[in-house]
Amino acid sequence: DAKTTQPTSMDCAEGRAANLPCNHSTISGNEYVYWYRQIHSQGPQYIIHGLKNNETNEMASLIITEDRKSSTLILPHATLRDTAVYYCIVRPRYQTGANNLFFGTGTRLTVIP
Amino acid sequence: EAQVTQNPRYLITVTGKKLTVTCSQNMNHEYMSWYRQDPGLGLRQIYYSMNVEVTDKGDVPEGYKVSRKEKRNFPLILESPSPNQTSLYFCASSIGPSSYEQYFGPGTRLTVT
Repeated sequence: DAKTTQPTSMDCAEGRAANLPCNHSTISGNEYVYWYRQIHSQGPQYIIHGLKNNETNEMASLIITEDRKSSTLILPHATLRDTAVYYCIVRPRYQTGANNLFFGTGTRLTVIP
Repeated sequence: EAQVTQNPRYLITVTGKKLTVTCSQNMNHEYMSWYRQDPGLGLRQIYYSMNVEVTDKGDVPEGYKVSRKEKRNFPLILESPSPNQTSLYFCASSIGPSSYEQYFGPGTRLTVT
């Protein structure tokens, strides 16, 4: 039961901003949006998360629409090391039991020199 | 350096030969879990542990065992491996079950012939 929809792949020129979209039209009020990425066969890496406000950290920015049905992860100046599969995940912020992250198929971002 | 380590990183074995994949974290995290990653299926949680001596099944526990005798270690045991357990395995840890950030190990690529 996929809760998110992401494009299969995207390209971005090195040094330019990479904008990765995610649709989550069935998101509920207590669910946050999380982004992780996985560089080829390495362990996934947390990037950022948010509820309804835009968020920014040292890695990226997260823009969530007002209706919360979609979001965009922005890598402001993409480098070759940002080539990875990016996963958009929605789940409740607080939960008991398994801290299970449902990783779908994600978006394969290729940064081109 | 805060990290999750796994050993071995690569393993080729034969059907029925018991094996253990070790996982250790140095962040004093209470929550640890195991995932397997297969093409087209994403990451699926095998087992998780809320704390020492507390473990529970994830989504795909059949054929696996775990133990949590120490806070830092969470080994994955395959008592009688079969070819359908050929996969890429990741151990992860977080402060607690609701933590937004999970730290993943580098992965163990297992091949069962």
